[in-house]
Amino acid sequence: AQRVTQPEKLLSVFKGAPVELKCNYSYSGSPELFWYVQYSRQRLQLLLRHISRESIKGFTADLNKGETSFHLKKPFAQEEDSAMYYCALYYGGATNKLIFGTGTLLAVQP
Amino acid sequence: GAGVSQSPRYKVAKRGQDVALRCDPISGHVSLFWYQQALGQGPEFLTYFQNEAQLDKSGLPSDRFFAERPEGSVSTLKIQRTQQEDSAVYLCASSLEAGVSTDTQYFGPGTRLTVL
Repeated sequence: AQRVTQPEKLLSVFKGAPVELKCNYSYSGSPELFWYVQYSRQRLQLLLRHISRESIKGFTADLNKGETSFHLKKPFAQEEDSAMYYCALYYGGATNKLIFGTGTLLAVQP
Repeated sequence: GAGVSQSPRYKVAKRGQDVALRCDPISGHVSLFWYQQALGQGPEFLTYFQNEAQLDKSGLPSDRFFAERPEGSVSTLKIQRTQQEDSAVYLCASSLEAGVSTDTQYFGPGTRLTVL
């Protein structure tokens, strides 16, 4: 079955420390993965997608098919990075739906 | 321009009441999605529209849930005889195209439904 797992509900780091938010997936086809972010009192928004191989706000994520992972990384955390982060898998077919993980709350301490 | 809007933002219903949640997608967006987000969980897919056609309703939890998008723009999610387990945030999202994985889904602010 298709599934996205985010093992950490909360990740607390100090400003300037490296960040890694873990995401593992289960999917029988060729996966397409995304990271969505929700800042306090804001709506859910796309942060980055693996197919673009982009870096957004200093965040990167590499798809590792061998480990079925798509971890989100940033070398130096900033306080404004504090938010809820969701990893999502594109299901495709006629549905185009996203399958989300349960999310990780990133708290960056000053 | 304006993003996806949803109304009402908050809804309190007594158990057994019917509720209707509205979604206004971004103008011109072909695809429209409804997701349910329970407390402490990620969004879970409910149903998908391509224009006015409901192509997937596999995520609707029971026949008490019904969604429509009659003119291919505004959508309404209706829940009949609400139960306490229906309490959640209901998110609407739209995207410009259909069947394109790289097409961004834009989310609305959600409607928080509380069933007493």
